[in-house]
Amino acid sequence: QLQLQESGPGLVKPSETLSLTCTVSGGSFSSSDYYWGWIRQPPGKGLEWIGSIFYTGRTYYDPSLKSRVTISVDTSKNQFSLKLSSVTAADTAVYYCARHDYSNYLEYFQHWGQGTLVTVSS
Amino acid sequence: QSVLTQPPSVSAAPGQKVTISCSGSSSNIGNTYVSWYQQLPGTAPKLLIYENNKRPSGIPDRFSGSKSGTSATLGITGLQTGDEADYYCGTWDSSLNGGGVFGGGTKLTVL
Repeated sequence: QLQLQESGPGLVKPSETLSLTCTVSGGSFSSSDYYWGWIRQPPGKGLEWIGSIFYTGRTYYDPSLKSRVTISVDTSKNQFSLKLSSVTAADTAVYYCARHDYSNYLEYFQHWGQGTLVTVSS
Repeated sequence: QSVLTQPPSVSAAPGQKVTISCSGSSSNIGNTYVSWYQQLPGTAPKLLIYENNKRPSGIPDRFSGSKSGTSATLGITGLQTGDEADYYCGTWDSSLNGGGVFGGGTKLTVL
């Protein structure tokens, strides 16, 4: 059974960079059948897609976050990572990593991590 | 403001049927498949429906999906108290500034 696990600091200071890693186990990481994505959910609000990466390193980012986001992949460790720079309180959220599957495009997330709360505060 | 529009809340009695709508545009729902997710309180979302009407293994057939034009619908029959959750639709928007998109979510209350 595929499992995804987020890791990283739970508290980040304003203007600094948020860094999270997702470790994938129990399945094929370097497959041509899917991407790997990051989604966040501010407290009490809905889901927001941040971006997704293919195992080769090809990326798609949400346009509103693109200037601050970098997603990278390490196939030797079955991991992919998120960096979000210049954070503010508005970036406080539960961050999920997930497998991003495609039919015509990247339409659905088949498997999700449990999520990790990141709070931006001084 | 979410790209896909869902009603904030719906409610129904146990055993009844409920539908949740998801409205989009020609660059997202009208152009490709829709997915649906269930998020129980304090947990990660779970995929319920993909490619408009397909259910992953383990999802009961009480859950169904459909799509027409630029709108999609999730149906749940035989409501149970355990179905009380937030439900989200999602897809891909292929416009110039597109990407992965979700609806704002619908809170289902089983009365």
